[in-house]
Amino acid sequence: EVQLVESGGGLVQPGGSLKVSCVGSGFTFSGSAMHWVRQASGKGLEWIGRIRSKADRYVTAYAASVKGRFTISRDDSKNTVFLQMESLKTEDTAVYYCSRPSPGSGSYMDVWGKGTTVIVSS
Amino acid sequence: QSVLTQPPSVSGAPGQRVTISCTGSSSNIGAGYDVHWYQHLPGTAPKLLIYDNNYRPLGVPDRFSGSKSGTSASLAISGLQAEDEADYYCQSYDSSLSVPFVFGTGTKVTVL
Repeated sequence: EVQLVESGGGLVQPGGSLKVSCVGSGFTFSGSAMHWVRQASGKGLEWIGRIRSKADRYVTAYAASVKGRFTISRDDSKNTVFLQMESLKTEDTAVYYCSRPSPGSGSYMDVWGKGTTVIVSS
Repeated sequence: QSVLTQPPSVSGAPGQRVTISCTGSSSNIGAGYDVHWYQHLPGTAPKLLIYDNNYRPLGVPDRFSGSKSGTSASLAISGLQAEDEADYYCQSYDSSLSVPFVFGTGTKVTVL
């Protein structure tokens, strides 16, 4: 079964840092790009970033709202993708999901995790 | 503010048909980029419902269908069931943005 499981969410103060993780199983993780998407309470889904595979030189891309503060990395030996969040703001409070882009075109996300909750508050 | 606009809510009685629109522009849907749809229940993983405008992944009931025309796309749910009460999002690509993926504003479907 193809599966993604996020972890590492929690409460952090404004200006603080947090690193969340996502472990994939049931597919060739190393060959897949991975996305991060978030949903703030009462808001819609927001794409925040993506990391490509080793074959595509681990190229990353970020939404303007997090660029320069968030960093996506991966450890293919552990089938894990990370989201390092720095200089956190209250508006970063959200459920963070990792997802797999569709094999082939990569134009949609065919597998999602259940998310991990990040709360930025003093 | 998303470049893909959806109605905030739609509702229908069990058994009825509802449609959700996703309105874009010439830099996304109108440029020929495919539209995909997701179903999301709070506290759960979003689920791919329709890909490439009108294809259903295995396991998605044929009550769900998608279409695209011009700068808009639509998701139709026929034979509405209580379990269909959820949030629905369209997603596509926009060439005018620096990021590859854009989601619609989302639509809450309520089964009366």
